[in-house]
Amino acid sequence: GQNIDQPTEMTATEGAIVQINCTYQTSGFNGLFWYQQHAGEAPTFLSYNVLDGLEEKGRFSSFLSRSKGYSYLLLKELQMKDSASYLCAISGGGNKLTFGTGTQLKVEL
Amino acid sequence: GAVVSQHPSWVICKSGTSVKIECRSLDFQATTMFWYRQFPKQSLMLMATSNEGSKATYEQGVEKDKFLINHASLTLSTLTVTSAHPEDSSFYICSAGDRTNYGYTFGSGTRLTVV
Repeated sequence: GQNIDQPTEMTATEGAIVQINCTYQTSGFNGLFWYQQHAGEAPTFLSYNVLDGLEEKGRFSSFLSRSKGYSYLLLKELQMKDSASYLCAISGGGNKLTFGTGTQLKVEL
Repeated sequence: GAVVSQHPSWVICKSGTSVKIECRSLDFQATTMFWYRQFPKQSLMLMATSNEGSKATYEQGVEKDKFLINHASLTLSTLTVTSAHPEDSSFYICSAGDRTNYGYTFGSGTRLTVV
């Protein structure tokens, strides 16, 4: 089975940097994804990590440590439009994508 | 890029009726389709995995007779919510396996409200 944990809510200031953590336990691992989801919309792909280390993509970076079952998503230069839910997801056995609890990020002025 | 078209975007139905949700892969063949349900302020919960031409595999706790999944072609999968009740009101999203986005492309979702 799989267990994926994230903080429920986070608040940050416009222009700042925020780190959203994800810890997991899984019996099969084909990669870890981060998605952004605005209310009432489908998730939008942000990043994919399958090897340990940092993947950088513009204002967004994602880190993975497989030995620790740990990942984080780093958002820089926060903008108001970054207020959304951020979902950590694991691709496991059968290529099933299992989502974490999600972190609701609120960006304030 | 890969696109999955999901219809309808929203639907309101009476309790006891059935509702069909369609997901089509427009520019690629989807041998596998995943169906998710999302309640307000919660994450996506995988309901079932469908493979073209075979029976769907349901997650624990999901009633296969209530949530009928058909994946008759490589471009179309459907989810039918039978005898819907208010507690079935939710956001339903499909995801097709493809090589873009590292293997998963999501439909736009269907907001189901049962009254």
